[in-house]
Amino acid sequence: GDSVTQMEGPVTLSEEAFLTINCTYTATGYPSLFWYVQYPGEGLQLLLKATKADDKGSNKGFEATYRKETTSFHLEKGSVQVSDSAVYFCALTQAGTALIFGKGTTLSVSS
Amino acid sequence: GAGVSQSPSNKVTEKGKDVELRCDPISGHTALYWYRQSLGQGLEFLIYFQGNSAPDKSGLPSDRFSAERTGGSVSTLTIQRTQQEDSAVYLCASSLRDRGAYGYTFGSGTRLTVV
Repeated sequence: GDSVTQMEGPVTLSEEAFLTINCTYTATGYPSLFWYVQYPGEGLQLLLKATKADDKGSNKGFEATYRKETTSFHLEKGSVQVSDSAVYFCALTQAGTALIFGKGTTLSVSS
Repeated sequence: GAGVSQSPSNKVTEKGKDVELRCDPISGHTALYWYRQSLGQGLEFLIYFQGNSAPDKSGLPSDRFSAERTGGSVSTLTIQRTQQEDSAVYLCASSLRDRGAYGYTFGSGTRLTVV
């Protein structure tokens, strides 16, 4: 079945460092891809999405590009802030399935 | 409502007791989903509702778990004869369309602890 694999955490960075969180997927069709974020003590929030190959989703300085050839949707940010500390989840959905999530990657940013 | 509301936010129960978890989705959202979040396990899909019917119950882990939705709105997830392995955060989400590419809106969850 469909699945999402994302890099193990935790990821620990200093403020203003470059962030990459890797995400790859396995799907039989053409899924839509998402990144969700869970800040401490809060619920999951949609961060960005891409619905077809080569689309780039972006929000709050984060971006991810839907790469069909490598079945990837890596999350990047050029300069992280302490307030970006959270758990990040990669997810996919396609017709006939509910959102399928990766296991989450914890990001900790220190000043 | 403005967001997805879940209650209670925390529940501690004794092993063997039944519990009910409630989800109030965003008004007008026809699709509703339940997930379970366990430490180190990510988010596990439990059940999906479209209106009052549940076309996909494939994630319910055992027959101790059941869910219903009434009036196309509020949903209740019931766990009978709770076990310690049921301890987790139970998340509810809703969306405008049927599993569409629009993303889901999640509630803050119910943290269930079985002692």
